[in-house]
Formats: sequence, structure tokens, C-alpha cells
Amino acid sequence: DTEVTQTPKHLVMGMTNKKSLKCEQHMGHRAMYWYKQKAKKPPELMFVYSYEKLSINESVPSRFSPECPNSSLLNLHLHALQPEDSALYLCASSQVGAPGGPDEKLFFGSGTQLSVL
Amino acid sequence: AQTVTQSQPEMSVQEAETVTLSCTYDTSESDYYLFWYKQPPSRQMILVIRQEAYKQQNATENRFSVNFQKAAKSFSLKISDSQLGDAAMYFCAFDSNYQLIWGAGTKLIIKP
Repeated sequence: DTEVTQTPKHLVMGMTNKKSLKCEQHMGHRAMYWYKQKAKKPPELMFVYSYEKLSINESVPSRFSPECPNSSLLNLHLHALQPEDSALYLCASSQVGAPGGPDEKLFFGSGTQLSVL
Repeated sequence: AQTVTQSQPEMSVQEAETVTLSCTYDTSESDYYLFWYKQPPSRQMILVIRQEAYKQQNATENRFSVNFQKAAKSFSLKISDSQLGDAAMYFCAFDSNYQLIWGAGTKLIIKP
């Protein structure tokens, strides 16, 4: 199984809603990532978890709250979002130390397209 | 600061022809990795090819190959025998301290 599965594929939420994005992988990867991608732009790194601990937070607003309950699962909890937060949210996983390294690469999910009204 | 530049916002090619996408980068490091990722309309980011800077030999993956010019800090992607399924956004990326620095992307259109 070389897949990263993200649910839901699409999400529409109001600014007062609370929702969660889910990401799952069963490749034994111990690093998991959240990226935000606006249309026709490259992905922007938000968070990195290594061995289930938050290792990188790219100054993301607190209305985004990541969680890594186990080595296979990564969540992104959303609360009081703004319309400018509408974007594609991509999850990725890798061996720790990737994406560099001789045989390492990032595996991406297909993303959750989020619309904030 | 490390940067990646893709100067072609959009490219088009006739099916079965060859196309080259350009990428330049700036770094003071001597050992690093470079990547080309493809993002089709399905939105999933897919690794196309990877180049290790300490290897002089250009990486190839089937119809995809790179022209890596370390001194010029250039990393172009050549797609041979273009197919309709190659239509996508292509992103060049540089590995900096285990994080990816991305270029702005090139949209590739395949004309049937």
C-alpha cells in the first residue's frame, strides 16, 4: 500500500464552524506533513510531524490545529476560519529525514478542497 | 536565501513531440537534491524524477529525463513522446534541510 488517503475530498464550511481533515497512511512512514495550496501556486508547508511529535510549525494561525494521534494518522482541526483560508490542503508522508536522502521521497494524498463561506 | 525559479508559466506541445521545462535555483550548498513533481487535474502531487547533486549523471525515468547543470544551477525536465496524460502542472523543487523549496510551476498543455 503506497497511498496517502485524505478525507473528505471536498469541504464547505462557514466561518463559525469546526471541522477536521483526516489523513492516513500505512507505509510505516514516521514523518507526516500538512501543506496548503492555492490555485496555480506551489504548496506551502504548514506543519511537520516526526515520530508523532510536532517538529515544524510554519507560523500557522492558531485556527489551524494539527494532531497526530498515532504513526498512521494525521488530523487538521479547523475552527473560525476565514474566506482566505479556502485552498487545497495536501497531506504527505515520508521516512524521517526525507525528502532528501538516496531513496526517499514524499508521498502525497489527493487533498481536501476547502471552501470557507 | 534559496530560491527556485520556473520562468515558463505555461508551455504547450503537440502530442508525441518533445518538450523541455526550465528550472533554475540558487543555493550555496554543495550537496542537495532536486525534484520534478507533476500535479494533474486529480490534484495529487506525483514525483516525476529526482536528481542528486553529487551525481554528474543526469537522471532518467522512462520518457522523462533531466539536464542538470550544477555550475549553472539549472535543472530542466525533458519529456519525450508527449502523451495526453502528461498534461499537468509541473513543479521544480529543491531540498533544503529536509524541506522542499518550490518553483512557481509550469502548466503543460498537450495538443492532440
